[in-house]
Amino acid sequence: GDSVTQMEGPVTLSEEAFLTINCTYTATGYPSLFWYVQYPGEGLQLLLKATKADDKGSNKGFEATYRKETTSFHLEKGSVQVSDSAVYFCALLTGTASKLTFGTGTRLQVTL
Amino acid sequence: NAGVTQTPKFQVLKTGQSMTLQCAQDMNHEYMSWYRQDPGMGLRLIHYSVGAGITDQGEVPNGYNVSRSTTEDFPLRLLSAAPSQTSVYFCASRRLAGSRLGTGELFFGEGSRLTVL
Repeated sequence: GDSVTQMEGPVTLSEEAFLTINCTYTATGYPSLFWYVQYPGEGLQLLLKATKADDKGSNKGFEATYRKETTSFHLEKGSVQVSDSAVYFCALLTGTASKLTFGTGTRLQVTL
Repeated sequence: NAGVTQTPKFQVLKTGQSMTLQCAQDMNHEYMSWYRQDPGMGLRLIHYSVGAGITDQGEVPNGYNVSRSTTEDFPLRLLSAAPSQTSVYFCASRRLAGSRLGTGELFFGEGSRLTVL
């Protein structure tokens, strides 16, 4: 079945550091890939997405590139801020499925 | 914009009690779903629906019932609560129309924290 594997957290960075959160997937067919973010005490919200190979999703300084050859969708940001502290979830959606498959989430803590 | 509204936000139950978590969305989304979020487990799908009158099981459906009598509402029922159902529950909805994969963007409620003693 479909699955998503994320790097375990927590990830602790200083403000302005470079961020990478790894995500790899297993899926039948050609999935769409997503990153969701969950701020403390809130529900998840979509951060970015990519629907086909080599697409790059971007939003709020975050980027992720859909790499079919390595089945990866790593999240990156060049300079993190304290306000980026949250839990980040990688997810996929395959063609005939109605439901998203989520990774276990990676907690990011950014300090001054 | 209300989006996805869940009630209650917090609830404490005793083992064996029943309750219903309410979920309503005002975006005319066909797809609605319930997830539970537990530490180290990510989000696990409980039940989902692709339209009024249609429901299906997710990964962890045991102990939960759902119904979808209208497009807007998708309540989750716990018939006999157990401590293993202590969790944070999220309702989420999205469009199905449009591209083959729909938009993919799930809109989440703020969550309902349930404790079963």
